[in-house]
Amino acid sequence: QVVLTQTPSASASLGASVKLTCTLSSGHSSYAIAWHQQQPEMGPRYLMELNSDGSHSKGDGIPDRFSGSSSGAERYLTISSLQSEDEADYYCQTWGTGIYVFGPGTKVTVL
Amino acid sequence: EVQLVQSGAEVKKPGESLKISCKGSGYRFTSYWIVWVRQMPGKGLEWMGIIYPGDSDTRYSPSFQGQVTISADKSISTAYLQWSSLKASDSAMYYCARPNGVGAHDALDIWGQGTMVTVSS
Repeated sequence: QVVLTQTPSASASLGASVKLTCTLSSGHSSYAIAWHQQQPEMGPRYLMELNSDGSHSKGDGIPDRFSGSSSGAERYLTISSLQSEDEADYYCQTWGTGIYVFGPGTKVTVL
Repeated sequence: EVQLVQSGAEVKKPGESLKISCKGSGYRFTSYWIVWVRQMPGKGLEWMGIIYPGDSDTRYSPSFQGQVTISADKSISTAYLQWSSLKASDSAMYYCARPNGVGAHDALDIWGQGTMVTVSS
């Protein structure tokens, strides 16, 4: 069964960039994933779907400073020009036959 | 606008029953699966189960099989998550979500606002 791994935390200064990683377990490097943002005391918000070739489709209203890329079993979310409102938990999510899987989340702190 | 609107927060006692709802609008409710997700306090997201409102085909995560019941009333575009006997450990935020394709499993691109369930004596 596919498992997603994420670094627990990341931080960067206001206006800087941060790159988050979601790693697919062995044998599942072709899987697409989705990235979701959860701001404090809010529900999850869909950011984008990210394919193994790095192509991605963003949700409505998601700013251009959010972008995705892929390399092997790793899926990345890059946030450029960090804003204070980007301080949130970021979850990756994938799916397979009969299952949904979420990563443990990465907490992003804007310094 | 496509949206999922969930019922309000609930405070219950252990052993009580509960049914929370998720109403879809802005799209053909019977053509898309609905997914239920749990988030315990300070924790991550866990998939509970899914339902296809068109025919009420329902599938559960092994972790939640037998613990909850998922149902839907397509006539009012509403999906439900219910418990017959709540436990303190059921205290959590519950979200419904919709996959962005018509398949059962896909990226979840629409989320409800969440329903907070508190179970305490």
